[in-house]
Amino acid sequence: GAVVSQHPSRVICKSGTSVKIECRSLDFQATTMFWYRQFPKQSLMLMATSNEGSKATYEQGVEKDKFLINHASLTLSTLTVTSAHPEDSSFYICSAPADTAYEQYFGPGTRLTVT
Amino acid sequence: AQKITQTQPGMFVQEKEAVTLDCTYDTSDQSYGLFWYKQPSSGEMIFLIYQGSYDEQNATEGRYSLNFQKARKSANLVISASQLGDSAMYFCAMREWEGNQFYFGTGTSLTVIP
Repeated sequence: GAVVSQHPSRVICKSGTSVKIECRSLDFQATTMFWYRQFPKQSLMLMATSNEGSKATYEQGVEKDKFLINHASLTLSTLTVTSAHPEDSSFYICSAPADTAYEQYFGPGTRLTVT
Repeated sequence: AQKITQTQPGMFVQEKEAVTLDCTYDTSDQSYGLFWYKQPSSGEMIFLIYQGSYDEQNATEGRYSLNFQKARKSANLVISASQLGDSAMYFCAMREWEGNQFYFGTGTSLTVIP
């Protein structure tokens, strides 16, 4: 099946700094990618939909100035957590929907810890 | 209203036994897809099984089967012959064909007891 990668897999940063997470579709083109956040023992919460060549669509309650999304090419979307705070510590997962099938392909996730 | 409801936060099953994980959904669309994903402690989301709303037969994938009852809007996952490696979180999800978005349930933590 199609592969989606994420980098880094884990990151620890200090409060106030910014962190960039990359999501790549390795063997297919993705005009749309989704960014999810998952807190421990909770479900995936959709943060935003990343659209290649246009602005991302953010879910209600997600600060677009804090979580910057750039979908610069058909294989790369990035999520930048700006001025990170400890409450931003979470597991961030990206995914891309399949064109012809029904499912979406998930990246392996990035565990962010803000100290 | 919740699109996907999983009422079992935690389940235990004896190794080699079968277990059913419950999932109900809410949609007014005629065309939709239902999915089950497994998430082990590593965090990766592993696709298990898919059921389309127009599929008349219940989906099966190896030891996984989906008990689809459309009128009741339920899509329960049945795992047969449980193995220790089945211990993980299990999420039910739905995709409505009108949009790309997936809706996830709150998950069920399954523990397989040796």
